[in-house]
Amino acid sequence: DTGVSQDPRHKITKRGQNVTFRCDPISEHNRLYWYRQTLGQGPEFLTYFQNEAQLEKSRLLSDRFSAERPKGSFSTLEIQRTEQGDSAMYLCASSLAGGPRKYFGPGTRLTVT
Amino acid sequence: AQSVTQPDIHITVSEGASLELRCNYSYGATPYLFWYVQSPGQGLQLLLKYFSGDTLVQGIKGFEAEFKRSQSSFNLRKPSVHWSDAAEYFCAVGGGEGGGNKLTFGTGTQLKVEL
Repeated sequence: DTGVSQDPRHKITKRGQNVTFRCDPISEHNRLYWYRQTLGQGPEFLTYFQNEAQLEKSRLLSDRFSAERPKGSFSTLEIQRTEQGDSAMYLCASSLAGGPRKYFGPGTRLTVT
Repeated sequence: AQSVTQPDIHITVSEGASLELRCNYSYGATPYLFWYVQSPGQGLQLLLKYFSGDTLVQGIKGFEAEFKRSQSSFNLRKPSVHWSDAAEYFCAVGGGEGGGNKLTFGTGTQLKVEL
């Protein structure tokens, strides 16, 4: 069990640029989740996958956000035309389907200038 | 809709003192409840969870929490705090199949430990 990993750990970008984050879940976990955490707040659910299928998306996930999990293993979260309000910590978690426990990665901190 | 309230934004305790962090939830059915801890630069670590059964649950690092349905509360406790417990603590509620497809977190309580 090597844990959930996320890359990069930090990203600074200029407003209007596109960014992509990667999450590698624990290898046998078939569910993968994305959360966003802004300063002073708890994490907020964005979306989750079971294998390669995206099963739920939050209203927080605007059209500028897209997430994929093409082979049911790693996942990417892309933000197009970034805005300052996108500055946050993006957390990934994984779990076994039907298993209640989620394992969180260290997060990717995005700063939009 | 499910929601979590953590009324204390910051708490300061002396090392060795007891600790209680408050959590109130709103959920339409039997909730699945969690406490997570987050240290700077670290991911969220699960301290403990409640799904059913005994309402007093034990977790890691000497933490425990008690589920009180009548009060819609799930407060976290520790009898003697260590300096290494300084961190941010999040209560979360989740539902659906598997007990947590979509976790809803509170805003967190920042714990400071005075030596």
